[in-house]
Amino acid sequence: DAEITQSPRHKITETGRQVTLACHQTWNHNNMFWYRQDLGHGLRLIHYSYGVQDTNKGEVSDGYSVSRSNTEDLPLTLESAASSQTSVYFCASSESRSGELFFGEGSRLTVL
Amino acid sequence: GENVEQHPSTLSVQEGDSAVIKCTYSDSASNYFPWYKQELGKRPQLIIDIRSNVGEKKDQRIAVTLNKTAKHFSLHITETQPEDSAVYFCAASKSGNEKLTFGTGTRLTIIP
Repeated sequence: DAEITQSPRHKITETGRQVTLACHQTWNHNNMFWYRQDLGHGLRLIHYSYGVQDTNKGEVSDGYSVSRSNTEDLPLTLESAASSQTSVYFCASSESRSGELFFGEGSRLTVL
Repeated sequence: GENVEQHPSTLSVQEGDSAVIKCTYSDSASNYFPWYKQELGKRPQLIIDIRSNVGEKKDQRIAVTLNKTAKHFSLHITETQPEDSAVYFCAASKSGNEKLTFGTGTRLTIIP
């Protein structure tokens, strides 16, 4: 069955460290997204990609970067982790424009 | 950009009663309005969606209504059951643009 997986599921890191969260989907979807979920803020879009070599900033992109070298993967990198980036991160993909988002299981990141 | 407001943030309902969650959006060009359900510790999943050419859509105990003039849409759950306890997110986007803007979520608790 097609799926979308995230790794690691849990990570604790220190302020200033570089962190990469992996996202891999086997749906063959062109569209991939990274959201962060925080209490009181819901799901906020960090970065998104509509295809290979395409990346776009979302509403909370500062301190984050993504790259899309193939259809299946959209890794999210925190260049220099900050305590404000402690959150649960969800990757998602979709097949069609304004279509259903399929979410990964989430990655809980703690920055100490 | 689009702004989606969601109310209430928490809702407790007696089992068997109905629950209503309301969302308003700011961009009159938005025409796709999905609702996602997130059970505790799980990923968000689409439960129902509506497009602007439709005023109401039902799926068993769940219904969504849309008022484009007032720019608001609502989720209605009838005959609530314990498994309806979850966080519900509304969202909005424009056709041809997959970038969803989510509301801040409603934590629904069904009281047995």
